[in-house]
Amino acid sequence: QSVLTQPPSASGAPGQSVTISCSGTSSNIVTNTVHWYQHLPGTAPKLLIYNNNQRPSGVPERFSGSKSATSASLAISGLQSEDEAYYYCSSWDDDLGGHWAFGGGTKLTVL
Amino acid sequence: VQLVESGGGLVQPGRSLRLSCSASGFAFDDYAMHWVRQAPGKGLEWVSGIIWNSISIGYADSVKGRFTISRDNVKNALYLQMNSLRPEDTALYYCAKGWGASLPSGAFDIWGLGTMVTVSS
Repeated sequence: QSVLTQPPSASGAPGQSVTISCSGTSSNIVTNTVHWYQHLPGTAPKLLIYNNNQRPSGVPERFSGSKSATSASLAISGLQSEDEAYYYCSSWDDDLGGHWAFGGGTKLTVL
Repeated sequence: VQLVESGGGLVQPGRSLRLSCSASGFAFDDYAMHWVRQAPGKGLEWVSGIIWNSISIGYADSVKGRFTISRDNVKNALYLQMNSLRPEDTALYYCAKGWGASLPSGAFDIWGLGTMVTVSS
């Protein structure tokens, strides 16, 4: 059972927008920043959003992040076929001496 | 900038295995480093992290007391000594670079392709 809760799946047609949620608690998302990763099986996970809403160099503006209270969201606009992948949220968790927590992952399907 | 893991393989329950991660293209001794794993059909799970000078180390509860993380800043290498392996440790193990120098600071901005560990009799 993951500390951070994500929907197992999401979908959208090319050109549409989709939002993936990540729910946490006071020991993680409320007090620490949230990061998002994109992962295609067989490849290295890729950092997509860091510190709630910052994009690393090279990540398209179509990807955006936000955080409020105990939840965070990843929004993808103008869906493209290459966006089909798994998306994971992550945050430092202050419980149990401190550890990194990941969400269970959301499989995005581009219809 | 690159991370390359090695050392995975098939091992019997209760035995040991040592993973290595070779880093290049960045100032290795400036950053925290981590191991993250993905069991077959499952999501990502943080395993362990170590800060730049090895003073602060963290482990997931699932591996505490069995796994030991270490680093060699001269060789630009990260290690994971895995003892008393269990079938539930079967996973693809990724090496990841922390954004900052401490364990909680920043995201994991560089990842390797992973090395597969299979624990089975």
